Amino acid sequence: TQLLEQSPQFLSIQEGENLTVYCNSSSVFSSLQWYRQEPGEGPVLLVTVVTGGEVKKLKRLTFQFGDARKDSSLHITAAQPGDTGLYLCAGAGDKIIFGKGTRLHILP
Amino acid sequence: GAGVSQSPRYKVAKRGQDVALRCDPISGHVSLFWYQQALGQGPEFLTYFQNEAQLDKSGLPSDRFFAERPEGSVSTLKIQRTQQEDSAVYLCASSLASGGLTYEQYFGPGTRLTVT
Repeated sequence: TQLLEQSPQFLSIQEGENLTVYCNSSSVFSSLQWYRQEPGEGPVLLVTVVTGGEVKKLKRLTFQFGDARKDSSLHITAAQPGDTGLYLCAGAGDKIIFGKGTRLHILP
Repeated sequence: GAGVSQSPRYKVAKRGQDVALRCDPISGHVSLFWYQQALGQGPEFLTYFQNEAQLDKSGLPSDRFFAERPEGSVSTLKIQRTQQEDSAVYLCASSLASGGLTYEQYFGPGTRLTVT
């Protein structure tokens, strides 16, 4: 059974700080996606990474796909209150598997 | 442009009732997915359609769950004889691409089902 473990589960930091959240698995995925979900809404895709070692940047967000395509990280620089939300990673193998998410709260 | 819409947004059902949840995908999107998201959890895959064909229903938790997409656009997820453990948010997503599960999915806002 493919599983994606996300850590930390919860993170509360001050505005302006940097943070990294992780998504790990023992399985290899053909691609990995990161989503952000707000309360009462569906997840919104942030990025898709497909190549081992790939790094993608989206403004203050940096996404990395592990060399072995089993893990990924999301780094946020100078966090802002608008970054608050549930961050989900999803791996694509035989089907799409989601992690349980990291609930991020940025304090103003 | 219109995104994925779902109705109803909220549904309260008494245990044992049947419910039907509707998903209107983005026009022209070939692939359609249903997920179940329990409180505090990530979405869990239920089933996948490519046009009208249900290619994967391995995530449906029991034979009380049934999904259809008869004309390759609108989809309905039906739950018969609802149980309390069915309480969750049911998310629908659509994708323009076909032939795999690695493409961008656009999610609807979900239907929150509460079984009392």
